[in-house]
Amino acid sequence: DTAVSQTPKYLVTQMGNDKSIKCEQNLGHDTMYWYKQDSKKFLKIMFSYNNKELIINETVPNRFSPKSPDKAHLNLHINSLELGDSAVYFCASSQEVRRGETQYFGPGTRLLVL
Amino acid sequence: AQSVAQPEDQVNVAEGNPLTVKCTYSVSGNPYLFWYVQYPNRGLQFLLKYITGDNLVKGSYGFEAEFNKSQTSFHLKKPSALVSDSALYFCAVTTGGGSYIPTFGRGTSLIVHP
Repeated sequence: DTAVSQTPKYLVTQMGNDKSIKCEQNLGHDTMYWYKQDSKKFLKIMFSYNNKELIINETVPNRFSPKSPDKAHLNLHINSLELGDSAVYFCASSQEVRRGETQYFGPGTRLLVL
Repeated sequence: AQSVAQPEDQVNVAEGNPLTVKCTYSVSGNPYLFWYVQYPNRGLQFLLKYITGDNLVKGSYGFEAEFNKSQTSFHLKKPSALVSDSALYFCAVTTGGGSYIPTFGRGTSLIVHP
């Protein structure tokens, strides 16, 4: 059973389009995250949600809008896609909001904006 | 502010030889330290973490890491490398005095040669 799953795995789209990435975790965790990994493999936190509440928003353009319908799901909607949005986006979850918690990552969504 | 440095972009080692992947950190307060591994086209997987207690931490797949407070280091080690250990390794840190979101290093690519 996949613990943290993301769809789609690959996303190729044109500049200016709007797209969504979905994430689901079946671990019963309270906290979920979105990370962006650039072409140099640098990993940067974008958002964090705890029990459906946004708790971290790390200076991400407001074209990016996360939504958490319940604590098992955290989706990412991106408006007006730009070339610089091309990256791998990882969803992750952890048991709770606490320092030292292990994070469990999804397989990633590879976004290519043309 | 918290930061972590992985001074080597790439580490090459022959199969059967011991391996070390270096990590140093900077935090105010006590550090919580993690190692994650990323195989090609996969998400990050947790290897091990140091929270408190014994400075030598044992993790998955035969890996271990030693917390050295005086040198602010948390190097990852394995006594005998396997070709299947070839992957990208990330060190991460958070602290009791700051954000609970870990800061990731830039990653070190480990290549184990047959």
